[in-house]
Amino acid sequence: AQSVTQLDSQVPVFEEAPVELRCNYSSSVSVYLFWYVQYPNQGLQLLLKYLSGSTLVESINGFEAEFNKSQTSFHLRKPSVHISDTAEYFCAVIYTGTASKLTFGTGTRLQVTL
Amino acid sequence: ETGVTQSPTHLIKTRGQQVTLRCSSQSGHNTVSWYQQALGQGPQFIFQYYREEENGRGNFPPRFSGLQFPNYSSELNVNALELDDSALYLCASSQEGLAGVDTQYFGPGTRLTVL
Repeated sequence: AQSVTQLDSQVPVFEEAPVELRCNYSSSVSVYLFWYVQYPNQGLQLLLKYLSGSTLVESINGFEAEFNKSQTSFHLRKPSVHISDTAEYFCAVIYTGTASKLTFGTGTRLQVTL
Repeated sequence: ETGVTQSPTHLIKTRGQQVTLRCSSQSGHNTVSWYQQALGQGPQFIFQYYREEENGRGNFPPRFSGLQFPNYSSELNVNALELDDSALYLCASSQEGLAGVDTQYFGPGTRLTVL
């Protein structure tokens, strides 16, 4: 079955500390990978994506994620977080042949404190 | 460039009623996907419309139905509402085609409460 696992439901971190949010997906020949962020009472905003090419992708606000095919992972990292990064983060996968259906993980709540 | 918009923002219905949610896709996009996000969960795929035809469906009963119009806007209809239908309903638009998978851009959602 196609599934996405986000192992950590909540990640508390101090401001300016590094963070890693983990994402694993069930194995498949070909996938497209996304990270979305959701602020309270809002929709989803695309953070970054991997469609093809370089396995390391970056966002404009300092996040990066690396596609690791052998480990079927797409972990999200940021070297120094800010209070404004507090939000819910969702990893999502499109498995080829599924009509561009996004399969989401259950989300990780990133809580940044002073 | 106008983003994805949804209406209404909030809605309260009672069990057994019917509801229609609306979505306007981003300019230039020909595909609309609908997702249901229950409280504390990740979004679940309901169905997708590509050029006015259903192009994939998730594990939702037939009382969830949809439409896509020639301008690529879309409606989600839910009949015989149940308490478990209470959720945030998200619409996403994308430009699908021969080039393969495109990024889906989400609207702000419609919060449906069923009493």
